[in-house]
Amino acid sequence: GENVEQHPSTLSVQEGDSAVIKCTYSDSASNYFPWYKQELGKRPQLIIDIRSNVGEKKDQRIAVTLNKTAKHFSLHITETQPEDSAVYFCAASNYNQGGKLIFGQGTELSVKP
Amino acid sequence: NAGVTQTPKFQVLKTGQSMTLQCAQDMNHEYMSWYRQDPGMGLRLIHYSVGAGITDQGEVPNGYNVSRSTTEDFPLRLLSAAPSQTSVYFCASSSAGLAGETQYFGPGTRLLVL
Repeated sequence: GENVEQHPSTLSVQEGDSAVIKCTYSDSASNYFPWYKQELGKRPQLIIDIRSNVGEKKDQRIAVTLNKTAKHFSLHITETQPEDSAVYFCAASNYNQGGKLIFGQGTELSVKP
Repeated sequence: NAGVTQTPKFQVLKTGQSMTLQCAQDMNHEYMSWYRQDPGMGLRLIHYSVGAGITDQGEVPNGYNVSRSTTEDFPLRLLSAAPSQTSVYFCASSSAGLAGETQYFGPGTRLLVL
């Protein structure tokens, strides 16, 4: 089955710097890659996703890149702000198999003012 | 719309007790899933369903049962609770889109097994 590895497990940056979180997946059939943000004590919330027919997607300060050949995808946050501090999870699925997301272990991002 | 709701919010069980975690969604989503979240382990898929009457196992199904008699409800049953099942449980739902659809998570149930 699918396995998703996520690095780093913790990341500390200064406000205004960029943050990059990387994930690799094992199943070449995976074709949907969402990223979730989870604040302390809250539920995960989708922040951006990418499908296998796209190499890059951007939404304001957040961007995701996908390299299907290498089976890895990354989240890029520019101009970080203290409110970006949270745990970020990547995930992978084959959307033909119905809602079966396999998550990475998470990255705790801390943005210092 | 209430979205995805879960009850109870918090539960304490003794080893060997049984209970059902409730999950309901009012978005007419075909897909529903259960995850558990442990510190440092991310979210792990327990069971999922692609529609009423259809369920399948995820990464960590042992000790849990599910059924899906209606589109709206997807309860998770612990038949004989064990301390290893202490965790935060999230239910999620999504529509059966052709290109991957957003999964919406419920608020979670914190379970402590003594």
